[in-house]
Amino acid sequence: IAGITQAPTSQILAAGRRMTLRCTQDMRHNAMYWYRQDLGLGLRLIHYSNTAGTTGKGEVPDGYSVSRANTDDFPLTLASAVPSQTSVYFCASSAGGTSYNEQFFGPGTRLTVL
Amino acid sequence: ELKVEQNPLFLSMQEGKNYTIYCNYSTTSDRLYWYRQDPGKSLESLFVLLSNGAVKQEGRLMASLDTKARLSTLHITAAVHDLSATYFCAFPLTGLVFGQGTRLTINP
Repeated sequence: IAGITQAPTSQILAAGRRMTLRCTQDMRHNAMYWYRQDLGLGLRLIHYSNTAGTTGKGEVPDGYSVSRANTDDFPLTLASAVPSQTSVYFCASSAGGTSYNEQFFGPGTRLTVL
Repeated sequence: ELKVEQNPLFLSMQEGKNYTIYCNYSTTSDRLYWYRQDPGKSLESLFVLLSNGAVKQEGRLMASLDTKARLSTLHITAAVHDLSATYFCAFPLTGLVFGQGTRLTINP
């Protein structure tokens, strides 16, 4: 069982380019989340989805969009990347539809925007 | 606005010593999570504390939750080098709201 996979592992991107970070889980979890982690800081929630077909905004959603077409996949898109989006991005999932369930994290994507 | 504050943010200690990391939060909750992160790695779930007075232990780590004081602690007993990592507490809201993390370095 893979758990949560993310792709790519790392990416260097020119400012203004569009980029989609992929996240797939095989645990049949209802809820999925995207966080970013900046140097020296904890993780901050970007977007979440409590169940397939629904999404919501987290603490830092600007410049990002998500979709949840099915249970397993939760891609994060940067429509026009800016240097301030340089960060490590973690996808997470939990069984229940709220954060009142233990969350499990993917390996992360390290993104550098130049 | 919810605040989740950890202290200390940096901790350097000798093997064999005991220490405690504190996590204060500004609003009520009946649960709290602790995660560990090794450098360059993802987050690993350590403890899920589900009620006031909850205490959980795993090896040399013990976590507790006092919902009335809005305080959780992570106690390290007889530290060993392998426990060097960054430890985060996290508060359940829409997603998780994380503390700043405590970078723990254990020296031989």
